[in-house]
Amino acid sequence: RKEVEQDPGPFNVPEGATVAFNCTYSNSASQSFFWYRQDCRKEPKLLMSVYSSGNEDGRFTAQLNRASQYISLLIRDSKLSDSATYLCVVNSNAGGTSYGKLTFGQGTILTVHP
Amino acid sequence: DADVTQTPRNRITKTGKRIMLECSQTKGHDRMYWYRQDPGLGLRLIYYSFDVKDINKGEISDGYSVSRQAQAKFSLSLESAIPNQTALYFCATSDLPWTSGIRANTGELFFGEGSRLTVL
Repeated sequence: RKEVEQDPGPFNVPEGATVAFNCTYSNSASQSFFWYRQDCRKEPKLLMSVYSSGNEDGRFTAQLNRASQYISLLIRDSKLSDSATYLCVVNSNAGGTSYGKLTFGQGTILTVHP
Repeated sequence: DADVTQTPRNRITKTGKRIMLECSQTKGHDRMYWYRQDPGLGLRLIYYSFDVKDINKGEISDGYSVSRQAQAKFSLSLESAIPNQTALYFCATSDLPWTSGIRANTGELFFGEGSRLTVL
């Protein structure tokens, strides 16, 4: 089983749609979680961190379910500009050190069409 | 100008050649990383460095070496390139993620624009 797994998609949705991505992780000791966005042929950039209580940033909502070991990203009112690959990233702090092993999922491709 | 700069951006080379990818940053971060990205596999860590005197292997270090020449510079070398090293390579930097259980910052990774390497 991969440490971090995402449905690669692609997800093709019309503008205005709501779309949700899930990401599962295998290491129950994982401490922190992130969603990154990567545009075609570009570098990944942080979209949002995922907090235990869930967090929202405009049209984007991230949630964490520690019991089931998954995180989710919900995008409401999709825009054409949301078309990108969304990467789930999990940081497993090891041995109490301040560095954790950052593991990337393979990414979920989203295409928003008119 | 980009905070994390990679050179070259694109390179085509032949099997057996030595290749160096260079990364420099102006963010003042101590931590630097080299990742490679392959379709369907996500980003995988090759090497990382917490400061000039600290170099650590990542999950796929075989066939690669690195040098941390200064806080701002971290280079990746392929001593004898082979075709399965064809990939998109990213350099990244970060600040400290957590300190003594207190959230110092997010530990966000800042990536360079990538170096596309093709080994024939």
